[in-house]
Amino acid sequence: NAGVTQTPKFQVLKTGQSMTLQCAQDMNHEYMSWYRQDPGMGLRLIHYSVGAGITDQGEVPNGYNVSRSTTEDFPLRLLSAAPSQTSVYFCASSYSFGSGARTEAFFGQGTRLTVV
Amino acid sequence: AQRVTQPEKLLSVFKGAPVELKCNYSYSGSPELFWYVQYSRQRLQLLLRHISRESIKGFTADLNKGETSFHLKKPFAQEEDSAMYYCALSYFTGANSKLTFGKGITLSVRP
Repeated sequence: NAGVTQTPKFQVLKTGQSMTLQCAQDMNHEYMSWYRQDPGMGLRLIHYSVGAGITDQGEVPNGYNVSRSTTEDFPLRLLSAAPSQTSVYFCASSYSFGSGARTEAFFGQGTRLTVV
Repeated sequence: AQRVTQPEKLLSVFKGAPVELKCNYSYSGSPELFWYVQYSRQRLQLLLRHISRESIKGFTADLNKGETSFHLKKPFAQEEDSAMYYCALSYFTGANSKLTFGKGITLSVRP
């Protein structure tokens, strides 16, 4: 049981390049989300999904796309990388959403992205 | 708007001293609040949630709806408590819910 797996762990991009951050979970969780972590800003929600085929925007969605074709995978795409997207990205999943004990979020180990 | 406020960025204490990490929230509905912790070079993990009313690693947090607070407390800090702590609020938005985090606080426990 690997939990939430993110790849890659580190990435350097040039401005204007595109790439996909991968996230996979093996816990059969319905709810998955992407956050970015910046100094002094905490964790900010980029996009989230409440199940396969369903995605929605978070606080800071601009410049990012997501899709959820399977329960297990929730990739985050940077369409045209900008220096402002330099950050640490975390993927998280939980069994359900709303309230109750099953809403604990499990996090991946993070992807440190630098855009030059 | 739903918001989680952690007013301090850094708290530095000596080992054995009491710790209180402050968290205030704004939400008109019934909140579900959490504390997450990120130790150095590790992933974020749940520390505790208000509905469980439990003590984890000596930490407790009580939801005070009147003051809209969910402060994290520990009577005697240990060096291994040094980490980044995030307060988080789960709230409903129509048919879905979101988990929003405060800006986090770094706790440093000195020997």
